[in-house]
Amino acid sequence: QTVVTQEPSFSVSPGGTVTLTCGLSSGSVSSHYYPSWYQQTPGQTPRTLIYTTKVRSSGVPDRFSGSIVGNKAALTITGAQAEDDSYYYCGLYMGSGIWVFGGGTKLTVL
Amino acid sequence: QVQLQESGPGLVKSSETLSLACTVSPVSVTSANYYWTWIRQSPGKGLEWIGYIFYTGSTTYNPSLKSRVTISQDTSKNQFSLTLTSVTAADTAVYYCARSLYYYWYIDVWGKGTTVTVS
Repeated sequence: QTVVTQEPSFSVSPGGTVTLTCGLSSGSVSSHYYPSWYQQTPGQTPRTLIYTTKVRSSGVPDRFSGSIVGNKAALTITGAQAEDDSYYYCGLYMGSGIWVFGGGTKLTVL
Repeated sequence: QVQLQESGPGLVKSSETLSLACTVSPVSVTSANYYWTWIRQSPGKGLEWIGYIFYTGSTTYNPSLKSRVTISQDTSKNQFSLTLTSVTAADTAVYYCARSLYYYWYIDVWGKGTTVTVS
């Protein structure tokens, strides 16, 4: 069974740039997997950031951007702010109506 | 603004059946091109997609849960529901109902979530 992989943790300095990735244990992620990204702070409902690889959801600051980098989907935060300290999850469409989330990345801004 | 609200018991006994409902407003659960979705999150863990019901009534489930899961819709109440049988402590989680848009495969509206503990 294919697993969706994400870095368990990452850190970035305020004002810095960070790229989080979303890959597959077997194979490459492309736009055909319709990558989406979600932000969640502990105890809160997830917030949708990005869908279909690079489209920002309504109200999402433009410092968040999505892309395909190499064989993975990527979420880049340019000019990280303290409030970006959070968990980030990617979701991939695996075909045949099946959807899978990655295990999440804990981003620390310090 | 579309709103989803989960409801159901917060405590379920091991080996019994978990049942949750999600009330949708102001749109209809039969609105074209939406998947009405259930997602859960175990304590300290990541998100897990459970499955969805399409506006047509067709369903798709996570293969790892498929034998125990049923998602249905009640158009008279404008709700969709989750039933999970033979629960164990591993099913303790926050359960979210959500809306997904057909063909775009992402969650565009989330419910606030409801905590279910299996004792």
